[in-house]
Amino acid sequence: ILNVEQSPQSLHVQEGDSTNFTCSFPSSNFYALHWYRWETAKSPEALFVMTLNGDEKKKGRISATLNTKEGYSYLYIKGSQPEDSATYLCALDTNAGKSTFGDGTTLTVKP
Amino acid sequence: NAGVTQTPKFRILKIGQSMTLQCTQDMNHNYMYWYRQDPGMGLKLIYYSVGAGITDKGEVPNGYNVSRSTTEDFPLRLELAAPSQTSVYFCASSWAAGRETQYFGPGTRLLVL
Repeated sequence: ILNVEQSPQSLHVQEGDSTNFTCSFPSSNFYALHWYRWETAKSPEALFVMTLNGDEKKKGRISATLNTKEGYSYLYIKGSQPEDSATYLCALDTNAGKSTFGDGTTLTVKP
Repeated sequence: NAGVTQTPKFRILKIGQSMTLQCTQDMNHNYMYWYRQDPGMGLKLIYYSVGAGITDKGEVPNGYNVSRSTTEDFPLRLELAAPSQTSVYFCASSWAAGRETQYFGPGTRLLVL
């Protein structure tokens, strides 16, 4: 069983603050890393999939980076808005079809 | 496309009862997954399937069974419900493993009393 760790567990920021959180994984077991956004009472929705060391992905104010050699990925949100409030999950995929999810970082953005 | 659909949305079971959680996808995806989500935790993989007729255990398979007779359907069976199975269950599908995004259903909330 792979160990995917996310930190912090929760985060409270003010509207307009920029923030970032971390997903750590065993660097020796890597095929792809996914970030999902999960709003309360909804289903997880995909943000990014990253596969190569040094990958950087961006969608609006949200971006992510990947370091497979040291086993971590960062998710950044610039200028947080209340609608960014959600739990952000990362998932490590092996080619065998099994996905291991972290426990998530819950972000609350106060107006 | 409806995507991934799950039924029921909510169910209360008594200890020892059985039930089947239904999952259907209309995207012609090969891979399908069942996860459970406990409070404060992420998603734990119960079972997954790489195609019709092929299933395999995930991280927490005990107390559950699955079948995959068609590409579209992937039901999850609870034979003897226990309080430890109180959780929210999500079904997901993807075209392939690894780099492909998973698409999730709306979830089934199960309470075992």
